[in-house]
Amino acid sequence: KAGVTQTPRYLIKTRGQQVTLSCSPISGHRSVSWYQQTPGQGLQFLFEYFSETQRNKGNFPGRFSGRQFSNSRSEMNVSTLELGDSALYLCASSLGAGALHEQYFGPGTRLTVT
Amino acid sequence: AQSVTQPDIHITVSEGASLELRCNYSYGATPYLFWYVQSPGQGLQLLLKYFSGDTLVQGIKGFEAEFKRSQSSFNLRKPSVHWSDAAEYFCAVDSGGSNYKLTFGKGTLLTVNP
Repeated sequence: KAGVTQTPRYLIKTRGQQVTLSCSPISGHRSVSWYQQTPGQGLQFLFEYFSETQRNKGNFPGRFSGRQFSNSRSEMNVSTLELGDSALYLCASSLGAGALHEQYFGPGTRLTVT
Repeated sequence: AQSVTQPDIHITVSEGASLELRCNYSYGATPYLFWYVQSPGQGLQLLLKYFSGDTLVQGIKGFEAEFKRSQSSFNLRKPSVHWSDAAEYFCAVDSGGSNYKLTFGKGTLLTVNP
């Protein structure tokens, strides 16, 4: 069974631009969560989607948004990029929503904002 | 709000030596507790988790962790470390329920000397 796929793997953007990252979950998984990983702040929860609905959201500004499609694939969007948005963005999928379902992580998308 | 502290930023052990990585959490009730490992350029992999019941949990790759409510700790142990265990280790907590919101510690980087 294929694992979680994230595209692109690496991305360089300029401050002020917007970016869209994509995540394809493991087949059959209906929940997708997104995390931001930076050296300073560590791993921080962004949001979780289940059956196309956002179930939970972390403490990030409105510039960070996401969505989930009917095939469970998910995208996250960051508008008006700032230098501090440079990070590794990790996506994780699970069969269902909530902590009882094991999350499987993708390799991440490395975003660099210049 | 829930929080996780991993007091050791970097630990170096010799191959074959025992290992203990510390994790302390702050949460009012009994949380769901996790240990993840991240190898360079990879996503996170779940090592083990604790929800309830036996406070000593076994995980993959020979790891175990013990939940101690009185100390608010969930330390990770391995009796004999292998060179392939070199990676970054993250402790995480979730409040449970259907709204998934993992809170991670800042991580402990493990170096294994031959």
